[in-house]
Amino acid sequence: EAGVTQSPTHLIKTRGQQATLRCSPISGHTSVYWYQQALGLGLQFLLWYDEGEERNRGNFPPRFSGRQFPNYSSELNVNALELEDSALYLCASSSLVYHGYTFGSGTRLTVV
Amino acid sequence: DQQVKQNSPSLSVQEGRISILNCDYTNSMFDYFLWYKKYPAEGPTFLISISSIKDKNEDGRFTVFLNKSAKHLSLHIVPSQPGDSAVYFCAAYRDDKIIFGKGTRLHILP
Repeated sequence: EAGVTQSPTHLIKTRGQQATLRCSPISGHTSVYWYQQALGLGLQFLLWYDEGEERNRGNFPPRFSGRQFPNYSSELNVNALELEDSALYLCASSSLVYHGYTFGSGTRLTVV
Repeated sequence: DQQVKQNSPSLSVQEGRISILNCDYTNSMFDYFLWYKKYPAEGPTFLISISSIKDKNEDGRFTVFLNKSAKHLSLHIVPSQPGDSAVYFCAAYRDDKIIFGKGTRLHILP
């Protein structure tokens, strides 16, 4: 069974540009979660999508947005990039939350 | 506001001994608590969870203890092995999302 896949692995952008990150969940999982791991801050919850709808979002500005497609894959878009957006962005999917999420390997976003 | 706190950034333990990783939380409404392990350049991997109505859950070398009155949980790894060297995240589930601590880096010494 294929795990959660994320692309690209690394992304370098200039301040003010837009970044698009992609995630494919495990087959059969309908929920996709996005987390940001910035230096020294642990994993910060960004967004939760389920069945194509945004169900919950963390304490991030509106320039962080995304969507979920009919095949349950998801995109995370970050507009007007700032230097502090540099982080590892992790996507996860789950069937039952208390069984834990399955994470992808992440996209390392660097804003210069 | 850090709802899940791991106050030890790092921990070193001799191979074969017990590793104890600690975690405190502030919200008594969490439904589940979870531990994840993360190697460099990989996503976190789910290790073990415990329901808020339990006080202990064991899976092989890993045991999680929950002390609700103290709002404290701990992960015990016995015996510690070299492959256990990683960052361990404590996490708690509430309102359809998982909240993570900042992690503790565990070093297993030969």
